[in-house]
Amino acid sequence: GAGVSQTPSNKVTEKGKYVELRCDPISGHTALYWYRQSLGQGPEFLIYFQGTGAADDSGLPNDRFFAVRPEGSVSTLKIQRTERGDSAVYLCASSLQDRSDEQFFGPGTRLTVL
Amino acid sequence: DAKTTQPPSMDCAEGRAANLPCNHSTISGNEYVYWYRQIHSQGPQYIIHGLKNNETNEMASLIITEDRKSSTLILPHATLRDTAVYYCIVRVTGANSKLTFGKGITLSVRP
Repeated sequence: GAGVSQTPSNKVTEKGKYVELRCDPISGHTALYWYRQSLGQGPEFLIYFQGTGAADDSGLPNDRFFAVRPEGSVSTLKIQRTERGDSAVYLCASSLQDRSDEQFFGPGTRLTVL
Repeated sequence: DAKTTQPPSMDCAEGRAANLPCNHSTISGNEYVYWYRQIHSQGPQYIIHGLKNNETNEMASLIITEDRKSSTLILPHATLRDTAVYYCIVRVTGANSKLTFGKGITLSVRP
């Protein structure tokens, strides 16, 4: 079956611009996670959704970052006033609520802020 | 903060067993040991997890010491496709909690 998909695969933007990154989780997965991975580092947690609500947003670095999941499926990560330090690979993962041992990751969106 | 420590890298010959160590000396009683791997330019992939008993699946075996302060992931017959960064993570299972990744160990399988 289809895995987690993320669009775009690559995004280049200029400092100060607004970007949206999209995640399509595996059908039926109620849990959705966003992570950010800088070069040479492991993924870093940003936010977790259970259904439509953000159950844990403790990893969002500041108020320029925001994520939504209005219908409990697709999620969008929004970054305002982008900075060069936001450049990273943004990873999305999903899991079944009752089988939360395994998170299934998408291929990521590589964001480059010039 | 990652609660695990791993060597930065190791290599092994194709066809041989790869034994990847991990220390988690501060693990709590309700925390499991998870292993994920990340092949270049892909998202991480779940491998295996365990609490205190040794576990085996089609991908690997997980050996956890009796005091649970360390573990070893074993790839019994490494192939070139197993070249990846391997992450050892401790996590409370069943809670849909986040994964806290460290830097992992880079495994290079040589022909």
